[in-house]
Amino acid sequence: KAGVTQTPRYLIKTRGQQVTLSCSPISGHRSVSWYQQTPGQGLQFLFEYFSETQRNKGNFPGRFSGRQFSNSRSEMNVSTLELGDSALYLCASSFSKGNEQFFGPGTRLTVL
Amino acid sequence: GENVEQHPSTLSVQEGDSAVIKCTYSDSASNYFPWYKQELGKRPQLIIDIRSNVGEKKDQRIAVTLNKTAKHFSLHITETQPEDSAVYFCAASKNQGGKLIFGQGTELSVKP
Repeated sequence: KAGVTQTPRYLIKTRGQQVTLSCSPISGHRSVSWYQQTPGQGLQFLFEYFSETQRNKGNFPGRFSGRQFSNSRSEMNVSTLELGDSALYLCASSFSKGNEQFFGPGTRLTVL
Repeated sequence: GENVEQHPSTLSVQEGDSAVIKCTYSDSASNYFPWYKQELGKRPQLIIDIRSNVGEKKDQRIAVTLNKTAKHFSLHITETQPEDSAVYFCAASKNQGGKLIFGQGTELSVKP
């Protein structure tokens, strides 16, 4: 099976812009979780989607949002970008609740 | 709130020695504890996990132990090899759901 894929791999934006990141889970996996990784804060949970519904949400401002489509692919959107949003954004998929999460390669977002 | 503390932040060992990384979690409802290995520029990869109904799990040179009373869990790597060099993250979740709370990571260096 193909692994989790994320697009784009690299992105450069300026403050105030918005961005959309995409994640395609492993075939058959229905749960997609998103994490932000930075040197200072480590890996922080953003949100989780299962069957097109947000099941869990982390402590991020409302500028961070996401959605999941019927084919389990997920997108996350960040509006009004700030310098502090520069990070590696990772998504992870799992078959269902209680199963192992497998990570994608991440999208490296740089906000100038 | 939910928190996972991980120690040490850096660990240097000689090839063939053992390495131990320790984590403490705050939420007593946590019941799933995975460990991830992240090499430089790569995605986190699941190396072993343990559920709250088990006290110990082993997979070749890697073992994880869980003490629910003390809310501690540890990763043990025996006969370390240079290719074990990476950043290791512990995590915890409750209801075996998609929300993983990560420790800050341990940078393991195995010197030949």
